[in-house]
Parts: sequence; C-alpha cells; structure tokens
Amino acid sequence: DSGVTQTPKHLITATGQRVTLRCSPRSGDLSVYWYQQSLDQGLQFLIQYYNGEERAKGNILERFSAQQFPDLHSELNLSSLELGDSALYFCASSVEGRIYGVGGYTFGSGTRLTVV
Amino acid sequence: AQSVTQPDIHITVSEGASLELRCNYSYGATPYLFWYVQSPGQGLQLLLKYFSGDTLVQGIKGFEAEFKRSQSSFNLRKPSVHWSDAAEYFCAVGHSGGGADGLTFGKGTHLIIQP
Repeated sequence: DSGVTQTPKHLITATGQRVTLRCSPRSGDLSVYWYQQSLDQGLQFLIQYYNGEERAKGNILERFSAQQFPDLHSELNLSSLELGDSALYFCASSVEGRIYGVGGYTFGSGTRLTVV
Repeated sequence: AQSVTQPDIHITVSEGASLELRCNYSYGATPYLFWYVQSPGQGLQLLLKYFSGDTLVQGIKGFEAEFKRSQSSFNLRKPSVHWSDAAEYFCAVGHSGGGADGLTFGKGTHLIIQP
C-alpha cells in the first residue's frame, strides 16, 4: 500500500456521461498530481494541485477539471466522455510542490475508466 | 519541449542474467531523471532518481542507473534479475519550472523474465 488512495478502482460508463475520480494523498503530502495512462499516449501529466491551489497544467482537456479540497483530497471530473477517454487515471502525491522534493512522487494504484 | 525515449518496447532476459534498460532524454537544462516500475494492476513505484552529484545512482531492489550527460542517457541496470522483476519500466524526466511541474514519461519497456 503506497498510502495514496484512489477510488473507485474501476468505472464503466457511457459516452456523454460525467464521472468523478477521487484521490486521497499520502499523509503529510501537500501536492496532488493527476496522470492519464493510455495505450496510444502512454503516461500523460494532466494537472497538479498544491495545498488547495492549482499549480501546473499539462495535457488536460477542457472537458476535464480537478480540485483539491481543504482536507487535501482531490477530485478529477471528466465530462462529456468519449470512447477515447478510456484509460487508467493515476493520482500521485508529494510533500513539496516541486517534483524534486525529498521523496519524489508516490503513485496510487489508479482508476480504470472504460467508456462504452 | 522535453522528451524521453525508451528504444526497447520489450526485453526478454533469463533469470539470473544481467539487465540494462535504455533511456534517452531531451531537455534544455539539467534534467531531473527518474525510473519507475509498474507491476500489472499496480501504480508506479519509484526505483531511483537523479537530481545532481554522483552520476551513478543506487535504487531499491538492487537497481542502479548511470547519468551520462554527453549521451543524454540514464540507463537502468541490475546485475542479476529475478522472476519478480518482470514488469513495465518507465523512465521520466522532471520539469524544473516554467509552470509545469509534471513528469514526462517514456513509453515504457516491458521486461519479460525467462526461467
């Protein structure tokens, strides 16, 4: 157990729908990062939050949004889902806001999203 | 823009043999380099990282990696592999600023261990 908790583990939904993925960071970690892993694109950085505020954006679609709450858990919202959104979505956390923090990232085990 | 290339999609190694996984990066400044391992159905686990200093980095599970600036490489090595090392291995380069703090990952190398 890495200490980063992601729920649900699996999600099947229809095109056009909206889903919310949840991530609880490791205790003491202030930063949360979201990644998408698909067969064709590989691992893509989506977005980072640090202590409740958006810190950096990567290849995140406008249909996707995220937030980090006061208790530091984060949610990734995916809307108007398309077949191509089917992927593994990973959350990672770190103590500091920079990737070259002491411990680097700790990844959760991911949420597998299937859009049918 | 930064990029990471892992030229080998699959590698098959006999148990007990040595291993080297290749990683080349493209980055305009001093890179922050990482190797992660992903077992089936699991998240990514950090094996080792290079930020500065000694170019030979020791990691967990008996892995090491060497940073070679002249070759823009950060190859992962292990002197003797075990069947439990079968997994997907990812090399990544970290952004040191400029608004994006995420990692750029390579496509991964799938390691198969033969008995």
